Amino acid sequence: EAQVTQNPRYLITVTGKKLTVTCSQNMNHEYMSWYRQDPGLGLRQIYYSMNVEVTDKGDVPEGYKVSRKEKRNFPLILESPSPNQTSLYFCASSSNLFGYDSPLHFGNGTRLTVT
Amino acid sequence: TQLLEQSPQFLSIQEGENLTVYCNSSSVFSSLQWYRQEPGEGPVLLVTVVTGGEVKKLKRLTFQFGDARKDSSLHITAAQPGDTGLYLCAGDPGNQFYFGTGTSLTVIP
Repeated sequence: EAQVTQNPRYLITVTGKKLTVTCSQNMNHEYMSWYRQDPGLGLRQIYYSMNVEVTDKGDVPEGYKVSRKEKRNFPLILESPSPNQTSLYFCASSSNLFGYDSPLHFGNGTRLTVT
Repeated sequence: TQLLEQSPQFLSIQEGENLTVYCNSSSVFSSLQWYRQEPGEGPVLLVTVVTGGEVKKLKRLTFQFGDARKDSSLHITAAQPGDTGLYLCAGDPGNQFYFGTGTSLTVIP
C-alpha cells in the first residue's frame, strides 16, 4: 500500500531534549516536505526536499533541521525543543514539487508537546 | 500574512443545507488544489483545478477556479454528516507550495 509513515504519533518531551520525528514514503517520490499545523494558522511549511541531499527552508524553519540521505526518508530534527514548537506535524511527499497529477500524500501526523 | 485566505474559518450547518467555501489570494496560481482533512489524519486531495474559469464536480462537491486564477470556491450541495472535516485549498504561485488557512465544517445530523 502506498503510504507516508510518520513516527511517533504522539510525543511529549521537555525543553531542550533533542528529538527526531521520522518520515518514510514507499512511492519513490522525489519531493518531501514537513509542515506544522496550528489552530488559525493552517499548515505552514518547515522544510522541503526536492531530492536526495537537496533541502530548502520553508516558511518557519527556525529551530528545525532536516536531512535527506535516502530518497525514502526525511527525518525532522529538533535539536533543542521549546514550548512554542508544540504543534501537530505532518510529513508529505509528491512525485514532484507541484503538478496537475502530483498531489501531496500526507502521513497521519505527529502530535508533539514540549513542556 | 497568509498567501491563501479561506472563508469562513468555521461553518456549522444542518444536514441537507448547501454551503460555499472561498479561497482567495492576491497572487496568481497555475493551479489550485483542495484537500479535506479528518480528525487524526493527514489531508487528502479532493481535486486540482488548472484552467481559469474551470468547474469540476465530485458528486455533491463543485469546485471552481476563478477566471484570473487568484481564487477558488468549493460548493457542497445537500451536505451530509460525512462531509464534516477541515477543507484546505493549496497552491504554488511559482516558488513554494502554500496552504490556505482552512475551513472547519461541521454538518449536524
